[in-house]
Amino acid sequence: QKEVEQDPGPLSVPEGAIVSLNCTYSNSAFQYFMWYRQYSRKGPELLMYTYSSGNKEDGRFTAQVDKSSKYISLFIRDSQPSDSATYLCAMSASSGGYNKLIFGAGTRLAVHP
Amino acid sequence: GAVVSQHPSWVICKSGTSVKIECRSLDFQATTMFWYRQFPKQSLMLMATSNEGSKATYEQGVEKDKFLINHASLTLSTLTVTSAHPEDSSFYICSARAPAGGNEQFFGPGTRLTVL
Repeated sequence: QKEVEQDPGPLSVPEGAIVSLNCTYSNSAFQYFMWYRQYSRKGPELLMYTYSSGNKEDGRFTAQVDKSSKYISLFIRDSQPSDSATYLCAMSASSGGYNKLIFGAGTRLAVHP
Repeated sequence: GAVVSQHPSWVICKSGTSVKIECRSLDFQATTMFWYRQFPKQSLMLMATSNEGSKATYEQGVEKDKFLINHASLTLSTLTVTSAHPEDSSFYICSARAPAGGNEQFFGPGTRLTVL
C-alpha cells in the first residue's frame, strides 16, 4: 500500500463547476499538508499549505484536512479552463530538517468551456 | 517571493556526454534543495536531497556516481548527469525548502533532458 493514495483521474468538469480533489494517507505522523498545481511541462506550483486538521481558504480554493480519517481535500469553486492541470497532494511528518515530502500520484483535471 | 529558477529549461545531448543543470533560489537562501525526476504522466520521484556545504543524500536506487549533486552556496545547487544515456531522458525538477524552516517546497520550472 502506498503511503499516499490519489486518484489519477482524469477528471473532466464543465466551467463553473465545483471540483473536489482528494487524497488519503496511511502514516498518522503526517502533520503538514500541501496541494500543488502542475501545468504540462512545468514545475509544480504551491497552492495551499496547511498544518494539522482544519480548513484553509484562499480565493476560489479551500483545503481541508481530517487527520482522524487520514483524508485531505482541495475544493475549487467556479472552476475555469485555466484550472486545467494536474493537482498533486503532498505531505510530511515534521517540520524543518531534511524532512521529505511524500507526493500523491496527481489528479489530472480538465475544465471545459 | 520564494522563486526558484532552473537552467537550462531544455537540453539535447549525445549519449556518453555529461550535462549540468543549475537550480537557484532567487530571493531567499535555501540550505536544503531537492532534485526530482518525472516521467510523462507520472508523479515526482525524489532523487536526492542537497544540503549546503555537505554531501547530498540519495534515495535508494539512485546512482550517486551518475547523478552528481553539488550545493556549493545557499542559493545554488547543481545536478550533473554523467555519461548520459537515452534512458536518462526525463524531466528534472529541483525544489528548495521554504525559508525560516518551513516544510513546504518551492519548485523550479524544470529541465527537459533528451539524450540521443
